[in-house]
This record gives sequence, structure tokens and C-alpha cells, in this order.
Amino acid sequence: GENVEQHPSTLSVQEGDSAVIKCTYSDSASNYFPWYKQELGKGPQLIIDIRSNVGEKKDQRIAVTLNKTAKHFSLHITETQPEDSAVYFCAASMMNQFYFGTGTSLTVIP
Amino acid sequence: GAVVSQHPSRVICKSGTSVKIECRSLDFQATTMFWYRQFPKQSLMLMATSNEGSKATYEQGVEKDKFLINHASLTLSTLTVASAHPEDSSFYICSAGGTWTGSTDTQYFGPGTRLTVL
Repeated sequence: GENVEQHPSTLSVQEGDSAVIKCTYSDSASNYFPWYKQELGKGPQLIIDIRSNVGEKKDQRIAVTLNKTAKHFSLHITETQPEDSAVYFCAASMMNQFYFGTGTSLTVIP
Repeated sequence: GAVVSQHPSRVICKSGTSVKIECRSLDFQATTMFWYRQFPKQSLMLMATSNEGSKATYEQGVEKDKFLINHASLTLSTLTVASAHPEDSSFYICSAGGTWTGSTDTQYFGPGTRLTVL
């Protein structure tokens, strides 16, 4: 089955700096890669996603890149703000089956 | 759009009590709903997948007689934890997906239910 690895597990950045979270997957059949943000005590919130026919997608300060050959995808957050502090999960999906990464706890230091 | 609600948000019960958690898709029809369990500082663990009108598919190791899932309509799925015990204490999260979202494989999550069994 699919195996998704996510790094780093914790990340601290100064406000205004960029943050990058990386995930790798094992099954080349995976074709959908969402990223979720989870705040303490809340459910995950979809923040951006990308499909296997696209290499990059951007939404304001958030961008995701996908390298199908290397089987890795990354989340990029620019101009970080304290409210970006949360746990971020990546996922790889095929046929409506999601495989989640282990999460990255991001702390943005004011 | 794509809002998923869960009720209750928090429940505390005595050991042996059965607890029902509702998951609703508020502005779209969810052809598929998923139930996850999350332990502190850990990732989401898929418990089961349910399609409207059919029996749920449980992941290996999840007791279907313990975690009863019903997906009676395109907007409602329920998870019943039968005879709950302290080890069932956890954060339970549902998610929903459907063609309304523009993609059959996009999942939107509910806010979660914190279950504490005394």
C-alpha cells in the first residue's frame, strides 16, 4: 500500500520568513495530494491541493509543488504570520483512499 | 461552501455507555463519508468508509460491532461507539466527499468530537 512520509515533524520560523514542509509517497498510482491545516482541538481544514497532472499551484501565500518522478510534494508558506501556527498534514490519494503524513507542527514566532 | 458539521463536539460518559456522533454535510451531498480517530499529537487513523445506503467498509483492526456506522442519507452519517470504555477515549473526526465539491476525491473534515470515557 501507499506510504507517506512527512518532514520535518516540528518547524519554528520567525514571522515573515518562509516555511517549507516536504512529503514523499511510494505509490505512483496516487494522483491527488491535499494539504490540511489543523488547529488545536479542531478538525483538519483543506488549504490547498494539487493533482498529478500539475506541477505547481499557488493560492496567495501558500503554494504546493509536485515532482511525480521523485514522488515528492511540498508545501510552501511565504510571509508567515502567527496565525499560520498549527499542525499541517499532507496526504496522497488514489481512488478516494487517503494516506496521511504524520504531521508537522509549525510555530511562527512573532 | 463544503461545510461539514459534527455533533456533539464534546462528550463525557461513564464506562459501558453507548455514544452516538453525528456528521452532516451542510451544503453538499456526500456520496462518501469517512470516520477517523486521532490520538494526541498523532496523525489521522482511518476507521471506516461509508457510502450512502450501503454498509461501511472497516479498516483492519477496527471492530465493526464496537464502532457502528450508519450512512442513511447523502447528508448524514452516524458513528455509534457501543459500550464505550476508557480506551475508546479519543478525538473522532468525520469527513465527507461528493461530486458537489467539484472533485470526487476531495474530502472536507468536520470539527471533530472529543470523547472521554470515565
